Amino acid sequence: GNSVTQMEGPVTLSEEAFLTINCTYTATGYPSLFWYVQYPGEGLQLLLKATKADDKGSNKGFEATYRKETTSFHLEKGSVQVSDSAVYFCALSDQGAQKLVFGQGTRLTINP
Amino acid sequence: DSGVTQTPKHLITATGQRVTLRCSPRSGDLSVYWYQQSLDQGLQFLIQYYNGEERAKGNILERFSAQQFPDLHSELNLSSLELGDSALYFCASSVDAGLNEQFFGPGTRLTVL
Repeated sequence: GNSVTQMEGPVTLSEEAFLTINCTYTATGYPSLFWYVQYPGEGLQLLLKATKADDKGSNKGFEATYRKETTSFHLEKGSVQVSDSAVYFCALSDQGAQKLVFGQGTRLTINP
Repeated sequence: DSGVTQTPKHLITATGQRVTLRCSPRSGDLSVYWYQQSLDQGLQFLIQYYNGEERAKGNILERFSAQQFPDLHSELNLSSLELGDSALYFCASSVDAGLNEQFFGPGTRLTVL
């Protein structure tokens, strides 16, 4: 079945550091790919998405490019802030079952 | 604020009991999804309803059931509760049954003692 694998957390960085959170997927067909963010005590919020190969999703300084050849959708940000501390989830759309399949989440902590 | 509301925010109950979690989707959204988030299983899709009809089923136990009412709100019923059912339960909604953006509610934290 379809699955998503994220890099193990937790990840701790200093403010203004460069961030990469790796995400790879296994899927049949051509899924859409998403990054969701969960701030403490809140529900998930869509951060960015890409619906086809080579698309780049971007939002709030975060970017991710849909790479079909490497089945990857890595999340990057050039300069992180303390307010970026949260849990980040990579997900794909399972078009057959019309559901989201999530990775295990990566907890990110940014220290001032 | 996503526009999706869930009640209650917290629920503490005992093994063997039954609880009902409630979700109101965003105005205009016809599709409702339920997800379970636990430490060992991560975020797992349970079930989807579209305009009152069950549309897709995931890893939902037979002890769990859901429905969507004519006003489009949804309820997730969990019965014969076990310690392992302790988790965060999220509801999400989207405008239709396809894979459009899903908007998540704040979740209901269920603790089974």
